[in-house]
Amino acid sequence: GAGVSQSPSNKVTEKGKDVELRCDPISGHTALYWYRQSLGQGLEFLIYFQGNSAPDKSGLPSDRFSAERTGGSVSTLTIQRTQQEDSAVYLCASRGRGAEADTQYFGPGTRLTVL
Amino acid sequence: AQSVTQPDIHITVSEGASLELRCNYSYGATPYLFWYVQSPGQGLQLLLKYFSGDTLVQGIKGFEAEFKRSQSSFNLRKPSVHWSDAAEYFCAVGAGSGGGADGLTFGKGTHLIIQP
Repeated sequence: GAGVSQSPSNKVTEKGKDVELRCDPISGHTALYWYRQSLGQGLEFLIYFQGNSAPDKSGLPSDRFSAERTGGSVSTLTIQRTQQEDSAVYLCASRGRGAEADTQYFGPGTRLTVL
Repeated sequence: AQSVTQPDIHITVSEGASLELRCNYSYGATPYLFWYVQSPGQGLQLLLKYFSGDTLVQGIKGFEAEFKRSQSSFNLRKPSVHWSDAAEYFCAVGAGSGGGADGLTFGKGTHLIIQP
């Protein structure tokens, strides 16, 4: 079946602009995660959604970052007033129920470059 | 707080040789442990996982890992590597079977280079 998809695959933006990154989880998966992968920090957990519940935003690196999940499916990570240190690969993962409850499946990521 | 250490940033192995990638974790409760592989430009693919039971777990692509509680280790092994195994390998620990609400904590990764 279809895996986790993310769009765009690459995004180049200018410092100060806003960007939106999209994640489509595996159909039926209720849990969704965002991570950031950068050279200096490695893989960092950002935020977690379980169904339609409000997420815990404490892992987001700054108040310029926000995320939402509509209808318990698609999620958007928004970065406002981007800075050069936001350049990274942003990975999304989803996790299902029952037999699929113990594994996070990752998308290919969005590579963000802030000039 | 939980943490994962992968002591080797780079490892070079000849094709056909055996491989062991090291992973040490710090976690206050029973750990849920994972190994993922990332090829250039790709997302993370799960190789194997350990939650409980038999401490030697088998994964995809001929990989296995052994959980040693006394050493807080979860090392990844393969008896004979192939050129296609060249990639970045990440060890991760999570709360609960799937990472729970706090996500997974990853090591910095080990870059595997295969020599012909």
